[in-house]
Amino acid sequence: GESVGLHLPTLSVQEGDNSIINCAYSNSASDYFIWYKQESGKGPQFIIDIRSNMDKRQGQRVTVLLNKTVKHLSLQIAATQPGDSAVYFCAETGANNLFFGTGTRLTVIP
Amino acid sequence: DAGVIQSPRHEVTEMGQEVTLRCKPISGHNSLFWYRQTMMRGLELLIYFNNNVPIDDSGMPEDRFSAKMPNASFSTLKIQPSEPRDSAVYFCASSRDYYNEQFFGPGTRLTVL
Repeated sequence: GESVGLHLPTLSVQEGDNSIINCAYSNSASDYFIWYKQESGKGPQFIIDIRSNMDKRQGQRVTVLLNKTVKHLSLQIAATQPGDSAVYFCAETGANNLFFGTGTRLTVIP
Repeated sequence: DAGVIQSPRHEVTEMGQEVTLRCKPISGHNSLFWYRQTMMRGLELLIYFNNNVPIDDSGMPEDRFSAKMPNASFSTLKIQPSEPRDSAVYFCASSRDYYNEQFFGPGTRLTVL
């Protein structure tokens, strides 16, 4: 079936380094993508989104890249901070589908 | 705005009992979503409503699960009868519409003994 999958279930980075979290999606009809951050004991929190008519979108310290050719989505976090430690989910949305990936746990090493 | 409100935050019940989870979406949001999160299956969409109407309930596990949205400010997810395998964190989320960011509530941690 259609699904969203993450290449890396865990990622550890040094504080101050950049982080890259990847996500593969399989439904070519998906046209809206969102990255969420979930801290322990809390609900997912919106980070950044991108629509299929774009290939890059930047926020504060975060950038999302969309490659529709290979159905790949990535989240880049600049100058990673301890507060960025969390599980990150990508979500894909289309007219008839809404799926969340399994999540990647990001650990920032002080 | 207080954000999405869910109650109770924690629920412990015995197998066979009825469980009702409640959600108040953010005022003005037209879409409401119910999710279940477990270590084994991750975050699963159970059902979503648009303008109080259920649009897609294909994620509802079985007939023991039902959801209602009687008005724009309230929704319930009911499990009857509950089973140990229903133990999970249940999230409610709302958004302005289907193609916008979702705001999640704090979740209800359900334990069925």
